[in-house]
Amino acid sequence: DAGVIQSPRHEVTEMGQEVTLRCKLISGHNSLFWYRQTMMRGLELLIYFNNNVPIDDSGMPEDRFSAKMPNASFSTLKIQPSEPRDSAVYFCASSEAGASRSSEAFFGQGTRLTVV
Amino acid sequence: LAKTTQPISMDSYEGQEVNITCSHNNIATNDYITWYQQFPSQGPRFIIQGYKTKVTNEVASLFIPADRKSSTLSLPRVSLSDTAVYYCLVGTNDYKLSFGAGTTVTVRA
Repeated sequence: DAGVIQSPRHEVTEMGQEVTLRCKLISGHNSLFWYRQTMMRGLELLIYFNNNVPIDDSGMPEDRFSAKMPNASFSTLKIQPSEPRDSAVYFCASSEAGASRSSEAFFGQGTRLTVV
Repeated sequence: LAKTTQPISMDSYEGQEVNITCSHNNIATNDYITWYQQFPSQGPRFIIQGYKTKVTNEVASLFIPADRKSSTLSLPRVSLSDTAVYYCLVGTNDYKLSFGAGTTVTVRA
């Protein structure tokens, strides 16, 4: 397996534009995480899906952010409209999460988003 | 959620052993201890996980005392390529795992 694949790797957009980040999970994994990383705030969990269902979206900053899992292997994170403060590296991760113990999460290479 | 405390940074030299201690005084009975490594411009990578005593793999060892209120990640004979941020996480369910500031380990020649 090629691992978790994110696209694009880099995105530069103007304030107010819509941005869509994409993530392909590792085959067979049933949990999906979106994280955001900045120097100031470190790694923050935005949203967690299990079996395509959003379980915890308490980390999503505001209504401008939305995430979907149209199928078991793919997810999108959309920001509309984008703002300069959204500039960060966005990571997607997947795992074979079980109910009783923590399992290894595999991270993608990230998407570096710059909103100007 | 169990809060973790680890040093902000550590310096070392090639060939030395690096030990990073993480405190987690309010760890719960079902919690596991997991360490991740993050290189610049990459996503975090799982290193090792344990529940008690000692766990060893090809990358590191994890020592957990009987009270489980702390754990120590041991990196044997580090090289320049081990320069990274190391995160200690404590929890049961993946989505409850929160990444703190981590420990920036700098290995010098």
